[in-house]
Amino acid sequence: DVKVTQSSRYLVKRTGEKVFLECVQDMDHENMFWYRQDPGLGLRLIYFSYDVKMKEKGDIPEGYSVSREKKERFSLILESASTNQTSMYLCASSTGGVGNTIYFGEGSWLTVV
Amino acid sequence: AQSVTQPDIHITVSEGASLELRCNYSYGATPYLFWYVQSPGQGLQLLLKYFSGDTLVQGIKGFEAEFKRSQSSFNLRKPSVHWSDAAEYFCAVGIVGGYNKLIFGAGTRLAVHP
Repeated sequence: DVKVTQSSRYLVKRTGEKVFLECVQDMDHENMFWYRQDPGLGLRLIYFSYDVKMKEKGDIPEGYSVSREKKERFSLILESASTNQTSMYLCASSTGGVGNTIYFGEGSWLTVV
Repeated sequence: AQSVTQPDIHITVSEGASLELRCNYSYGATPYLFWYVQSPGQGLQLLLKYFSGDTLVQGIKGFEAEFKRSQSSFNLRKPSVHWSDAAEYFCAVGIVGGYNKLIFGAGTRLAVHP
């Protein structure tokens, strides 16, 4: 079974802190994604990566950055957390182009106070 | 611009009743369409997907969906709902040439009464 692991399920951080959300996949997938999930808005793409050290902005990249130094790991970074970044963050991975199944992690609940 | 609309935010059905969740999309080309389910506290799991061919597609857990190009719809159905189907359901469209990016609808939360 494909496994996408988000190491932190629940985090509480203070405004202005730097926050790292880590994601690891075990299926040698080229593509990795970070989505943000908010009630009534569904999932919105923050950033994605199609290869090591390659990244592209999604629909809502402001306030976020990413890092992909190894194929299996994709990190989401909040340089200076703000309360409006309180949300559920979902990591996902897939191989190939459109139509291939995307596998999701269980999510990281981030609360910024 | 590509978009996905799920008109129903919440739906409540009785166990054993039939279910239909609505999804409308806006996409310029032939769409790649997906339904995902998210159980409480969990990530998303793929239920089914449509690319081409037979417009009625079967998925896991007894779900099916029908693609209707004339209505730009991809509604999800199940003939008899079980209490374990209570979850949030997301419809999504895949972007061709976009490294497998998906655009999601806002989701429909399903509650099942015993």
